[in-house]
Amino acid sequence: DVKVTQSSRYLVKRTGEKVFLECVQDMDHENMFWYRQDPGLGLRLIYFSYDVKMKEKGDIPEGYSVSREKKERFSLILESTSTNQTSMYLCASSSDAMVGMDEQYFGPGTRLTVT
Amino acid sequence: DQQVKQNSPSLSVQEGRISILNCDYTNSMFDYFLWYKKYPAEGPTFLISISSIKDKNEDGRFTVFLNKSAKHLSLHIVPSQPGDSAVYFCAASALEYNQFYFGTGTSLTVIP
Repeated sequence: DVKVTQSSRYLVKRTGEKVFLECVQDMDHENMFWYRQDPGLGLRLIYFSYDVKMKEKGDIPEGYSVSREKKERFSLILESTSTNQTSMYLCASSSDAMVGMDEQYFGPGTRLTVT
Repeated sequence: DQQVKQNSPSLSVQEGRISILNCDYTNSMFDYFLWYKKYPAEGPTFLISISSIKDKNEDGRFTVFLNKSAKHLSLHIVPSQPGDSAVYFCAASALEYNQFYFGTGTSLTVIP
């Protein structure tokens, strides 16, 4: 049974603070993803990684960075938070080399509020 | 630009009736489609998929239909149950792409 866990369920931060969101998967998946979900906008891809130390920008990478030092762990970093980064952040993983042909498994999400 | 669209933000259906959720896409390169279900405060969970070589795929109460010429897919849930109340996302991709493109979601409420 695939499990994707995220370090926090809820976070409240002040504008300008640095935030680390950590994601861990236990199925030895190659690919890991960070999305944000906003009402009326669906899920939008921030970054993904297809191997350790490899990363690719998604559709909305501005204001975010990522780190993948170990295969099972993928971190999303917000260097200096702003109120427009208030959102639900979802991590996902998938196993196939063909990313576009394989279902993704999602974590429970982190609700980040920036005040 | 939204390549995958779900034009109905919400849908209410009586228990036992059919729920039909719709999804349209604009990119003719897409050839693999997924539906996810999401409960509040949980991550999306995979429900059913279809590739472009098929026009229908069934899994229990869930059936997905694909109309490639119309660039349209739909998810049918029969019979609908209160536990089906959730937000449903469709997603599309292709072998050439490194990501799935998600729709905006449809919130389904099944009324007991």
